[in-house]
Amino acid sequence: DVKVTQSSRYLVKRTGEKVFLECVQDMDHENMFWYRQDPGLGLRLIYFSYDVKMKEKGDIPEGYSVSREKKERFSLILESASTNQTSMYLCASSPLTGEIRDTFGSGTRLTVV
Amino acid sequence: DQQVKQNSPSLSVQEGRISILNCDYTNSMFDYFLWYKKYPAEGPTFLISISSIKDKNEDGRFTVFLNKSAKHLSLHIVPSQPGDSAVYFCAATTMDSSYKLIFGSGTRLLVRP
Repeated sequence: DVKVTQSSRYLVKRTGEKVFLECVQDMDHENMFWYRQDPGLGLRLIYFSYDVKMKEKGDIPEGYSVSREKKERFSLILESASTNQTSMYLCASSPLTGEIRDTFGSGTRLTVV
Repeated sequence: DQQVKQNSPSLSVQEGRISILNCDYTNSMFDYFLWYKKYPAEGPTFLISISSIKDKNEDGRFTVFLNKSAKHLSLHIVPSQPGDSAVYFCAATTMDSSYKLIFGSGTRLLVRP
């Protein structure tokens, strides 16, 4: 089975801190995604990447950046954390071809105080 | 403007009965649809999908129906079990941009014993 691992389950950070959320997948998937989940809003796409060093903005990229230096790793960066970035962050991956089916990690619950 | 809508935030069903979760979409270009299930503190897991060339897809207790003219899909769970209690998200995409899913806001299903 594909495994998507997010480095932290829970994080508490202070306003203004630089925050790194790490995601690693072990099935050689080309595509990787970062979503945030908020009550009543579902999953919203922040950024995605379809290849190493490639990145595309999703629906809500403001305040975030990403890095994909290796195929298996996709990092989400909050340059200066703010309280409105308190959320559940979910990483996912999928192959470029074949059946469309994102596989998700367990999520990181980030609280910015 | 939400392209994928789940208008019922919650649903409560008796064990053994049918659960019907609904999803509407506005973008007529969408041609592939998925349902995900999410338990608290876990990432979403893929449940079932359907291509727009079909109007029904079945997998065990789960059936997804697609009505393209109404831009509506539904997930039927028969019979419902307490372990089905979770948040269900529908998602849509176009096959030519298969790496980007658009999610609805989710429906919380409670199956009462």
